Amino acid sequence: GQSLEQPSEVTAVEGAIVQINCTYQTSGFYGLSWYQQHDGGAPTFLSYNGLDGLEETGRFSSFLSRSDSYGYLLLQELQMKDSASYFCAHKGGATNKLIFGTGTLLAVQP
Amino acid sequence: GAGVSQSPSNKVTEKGKDVELRCDPISGHTALYWYRQSLGQGLEFLIYFQGNSAPDKSGLPSDRFSAERTGGSVSTLTIQRTQQEDSAVYLCASSLVTRGNSPLHFGNGTRLTVT
Repeated sequence: GQSLEQPSEVTAVEGAIVQINCTYQTSGFYGLSWYQQHDGGAPTFLSYNGLDGLEETGRFSSFLSRSDSYGYLLLQELQMKDSASYFCAHKGGATNKLIFGTGTLLAVQP
Repeated sequence: GAGVSQSPSNKVTEKGKDVELRCDPISGHTALYWYRQSLGQGLEFLIYFQGNSAPDKSGLPSDRFSAERTGGSVSTLTIQRTQQEDSAVYLCASSLVTRGNSPLHFGNGTRLTVT
């Protein structure tokens, strides 16, 4: 089967750095994605890791270790607007369905 | 260009009624996905289409749920004999292809309330 686990909530202050972890179990693996969802809004794509290592996109970076079945999203220079839910996701198994993790609610405090 | 469009944005229905939710994907996107999200919860996979066919419909909760896609474009999710536990936001997403690095573009969802 496929499952992705994340911490349910993370709190940090403006300007800080926060890491959101994602551990997964899957039969077959086709990369790890990250999505952001503001309260009441649509999820939006942030980043994708197809191979091991770090991918950087501005203030956001994402890391993947396939041998450890683990990835994380790193947010730097936190801003209030970063308060949102963050989901890891992957495609795996026999079909190309994209399965989302349990989600992490990030609260950025002044 | 235009994003993924879903209609209606809100739907209130009585228990036992049928509802149809519509999704217009981004033009040219071959893959289309339906998810369900309950308040404060994650995204629950329902079904996805590649073109007009559905390679994976394993997430449909029961036989009251069905979906179709026509012309490789518009998709409709139908829920028959709605129950209160069907209340949720139904999200549609499309992507150019189904390869791993092809991001999903989501619509704003249909908020379904069953009374």
